[in-house]
Amino acid sequence: GAGVSQSPSNKVTEKGKDVELRCDPISGHTALYWYRQSLGQGLEFLIYFQGNSAPDKSGLPSDRFSAERTGGSVSTLTIQRTQQEDSAVYLCASSRWTAKNEQFFGPGTRLTVL
Amino acid sequence: DAKTTQPPSMDCAEGRAANLPCNHSTISGNEYVYWYRQIHSQGPQYIIHGLKNNETNEMASLIITEDRKSSTLILPHATLRDTAVYYCIVRVEGGGTSYGKLTFGQGTILTVHP
Repeated sequence: GAGVSQSPSNKVTEKGKDVELRCDPISGHTALYWYRQSLGQGLEFLIYFQGNSAPDKSGLPSDRFSAERTGGSVSTLTIQRTQQEDSAVYLCASSRWTAKNEQFFGPGTRLTVL
Repeated sequence: DAKTTQPPSMDCAEGRAANLPCNHSTISGNEYVYWYRQIHSQGPQYIIHGLKNNETNEMASLIITEDRKSSTLILPHATLRDTAVYYCIVRVEGGGTSYGKLTFGQGTILTVHP
């Protein structure tokens, strides 16, 4: 079956612009996660959804970052007024709501802020 | 979640077993040991996880010491495609608002050479 998909695969934007990153989880996976990976910080957790609600937003670095999930499926991560330090690969993962919590990751969106 | 310590890099000859160690001396009784890997330019991939018993699946074996303070991931017959960064993660399985969060360290860069 299809895995986790993300779009766009690459995004180049100018400082100060807003960007939206999309994640399509595996069908039937109720849990969805966003991470980002940058050279200086490694792989860090941003936010996780269970259905359409987000019990844990502890990793969002600032109020310029927000995410939503609708219909228990697609999620959008929005970064407002992008800064150069936002440049990173943004990864999405999904899992079934089971104790095993095996997370399936998408290929990521590479964001470059000029 | 408990902190883990892994060697920054390891080498392995193709066809030989790769043994990747991980120290987690502050692990709690309800925390599991998870292993993920990340091949270059791809999202992380789940490998295996366990609590206290040794585990084996089609990808690898996980050996956890009796005191649970350390573990070893074994790839029995390493191939060139196993070259990746391997992450050892300790976390509680199930429940709580931090349920979805995977905390990645720096991992071990495994290089499999011909």
